[in-house]
Amino acid sequence: AQKVTQTQTSISVMEKTTVTMDCVYETQDSSYFLFWYKQTASGEIVFLIRQDSYKKENATVGHYSLNFQKPKSSIGLIITATQIEDSAVYFCAMREGTTGNTGKLIFGLGTTLQVQP
Amino acid sequence: DMKVTQMPRYLIKRMGENVLLECGQDMSHETMYWYRQDPGLGLQLIYISYDVDSNSEGDIPKGYRVSRKKREHFSLILDSAKTNQTSVYFCASSLPEPSNERLFFGHGTKLSVL
Repeated sequence: AQKVTQTQTSISVMEKTTVTMDCVYETQDSSYFLFWYKQTASGEIVFLIRQDSYKKENATVGHYSLNFQKPKSSIGLIITATQIEDSAVYFCAMREGTTGNTGKLIFGLGTTLQVQP
Repeated sequence: DMKVTQMPRYLIKRMGENVLLECGQDMSHETMYWYRQDPGLGLQLIYISYDVDSNSEGDIPKGYRVSRKKREHFSLILDSAKTNQTSVYFCASSLPEPSNERLFFGHGTKLSVL
């Protein structure tokens, strides 16, 4: 069975620094997709970035990047030059990619990031 | 404008009442989802719909049913609501192609069952 674990419940960093949020996953599939989503204080949930398991290059979007370590089943989210507006809850998620998969996206419990001025 | 709209935003019901949560999207996405979010439990998948009248149970379907009669509209129904169904419910939609897959979420419906 697939599982996504975010061990960091909360992180506090100073503005303009770099932060890494951890995520480990469990899957029996050789093909899978990993995602990070952000939930703001208003409750809105938005997609940030994704990594496909067959891609060796780490994905990067704006000031978000991923540290994909496949042998360790790990997909860390790196935010560089953090801003106050980055304060939010960050969810890691995974979908297995086997034939017949129902498209279920499984989420971790989230990491709360607080960016201090 | 790509949008997933949920109605209502807040809802208070008494135990035993029927509840209808509605969700619409303007992106012609085939796949739609209902999740609930509870403290300490994260986002849990209730139902997934692959298109009109093509629905599949998620991880916690008990006590819920869904209806999708039009591609742009996906409803979650609670027949005889229970207090443990108090939660924030999120609807989402996505394109089916893995290469372009990402979820678009609505703003959520906060349901209180008293």
